[in-house]
Amino acid sequence: QKEVEQDPGPLSVPEGAIVSLNCTYSNSAFQYFMWYRQYSRKGPELLMYTYSSGNKEDGRFTAQVDKSSKYISLFIRDSQPSDSATYLCAIPPGGTASKLTFGTGTRLQVTL
Amino acid sequence: DAMVIQNPRYQVTQFGKPVTLSCSQTLNHNVMYWYQQKSSQAPKLLFHYYDKDFNNEADTPDNFQSRRPNTSFCFLDIRSPGLGDAAMYLCATSRDNGQPQHFGDGTRLSIL
Repeated sequence: QKEVEQDPGPLSVPEGAIVSLNCTYSNSAFQYFMWYRQYSRKGPELLMYTYSSGNKEDGRFTAQVDKSSKYISLFIRDSQPSDSATYLCAIPPGGTASKLTFGTGTRLQVTL
Repeated sequence: DAMVIQNPRYQVTQFGKPVTLSCSQTLNHNVMYWYQQKSSQAPKLLFHYYDKDFNNEADTPDNFQSRRPNTSFCFLDIRSPGLGDAAMYLCATSRDNGQPQHFGDGTRLSIL
């Protein structure tokens, strides 16, 4: 079983839709959770950084963590064509480890 | 204002000809990372430096080496590139272990 699983998509939604992107993880010791957005031919850009269960909101983006289910989500409200990108969840193992465990990324296309 | 800068953005080299990719940062972060990312895949960590301490991933081929002469700069050396090494190479930094990583826009390496 992979440490982090993510549906690769692609996911196509009309402009204005609510988008739900999800990852599951296997290690209950994970404590911090990140979402990155990667545009084509660009490096990943940190979108959200959360700790513990619950919701964190930043503009149109909401990150949700459910530690009991080992499930994390990123919601995008009022999606725009400029949101079209690949979204990667990433989890640091914790402690002194530096390695980020990435999901494979979900490719999102927001259409007009 | 780019904070993690990678040069060049595109690099073409010949099979077996050594190549060096460079990364600089203005964030004064302790940790610098090199990732390899192939099409539609998650970034794969090759190695990282915590300050001057080098940490190699177990599955990173010996063909890949790195140097960090000072806090701001880090280099990736590929001694004898093979066709399978064609990929996007991403540099990232973080303030400390386990902290969010900030990525450059990558160098896309092609092998002729």
